[in-house]
Amino acid sequence: EIVLTQSPATLSLSPGERATLSCRASQNVNTYLAWYQQKPGQGPRLLIYDASTRATGVPARFSGSGSGTDFTLTINSLEPEDFAVYYCQQRSDWLTFGGGTKVEIK
Amino acid sequence: QLQLQESGPGLVKPSETLSLTCTVSGGSVSRGSYYWTWIRQPPGKRLEWIGYKYYSGASNYNSYLKSRVTISVDTSENQFSLKLTSVTAADTAVYYCARMRGYDWYFDVWGRGTPVTVSS
Repeated sequence: EIVLTQSPATLSLSPGERATLSCRASQNVNTYLAWYQQKPGQGPRLLIYDASTRATGVPARFSGSGSGTDFTLTINSLEPEDFAVYYCQQRSDWLTFGGGTKVEIK
Repeated sequence: QLQLQESGPGLVKPSETLSLTCTVSGGSVSRGSYYWTWIRQPPGKRLEWIGYKYYSGASNYNSYLKSRVTISVDTSENQFSLKLTSVTAADTAVYYCARMRGYDWYFDVWGRGTPVTVSS
């Protein structure tokens, strides 16, 4: 099973700052990686797929990069609605998720 | 806009069967290229894919749960369901239904989730 390790567990930032989230895979997943955003009381929302493609309706301040085992989700200029938990997911070998990064208001 | 809504008992006794239903609105479970999926998140743990079912029959399950899981699709009711047998406390989790894109295996629509506790 491919294990996805996300870091940091918690990121404390202010609105307007840039957030950089990391997802590391235990094996090569090529670019078969997605990022999701989850807010309290809601299911996750697909943000990025295939490592760098924004899903429909996702603002341009969200961007993804990486390939192989190291991936990054960047949120430029955090908006109040961006404070949430973010998960990565791989589909290279079955389907597994990372443990999540919580982006909280500093 | 497609929406998914989970429903079912919030409390199940150990050794019994957990049964949940996901009602689909704003779209059809019979639409091609999509798989109907269940995912869960135990308290303090990561999201775990349970399995998927295509409306016309194909299915696949997480190997850790395969012997206990059945996912079915009811096209007449526009719903899909999860049955998990012989539950234990380890099955306590928030259960999500989701739509998975068949062409790339990413989840593009999710329900809000429903908590299920296994306890006597």
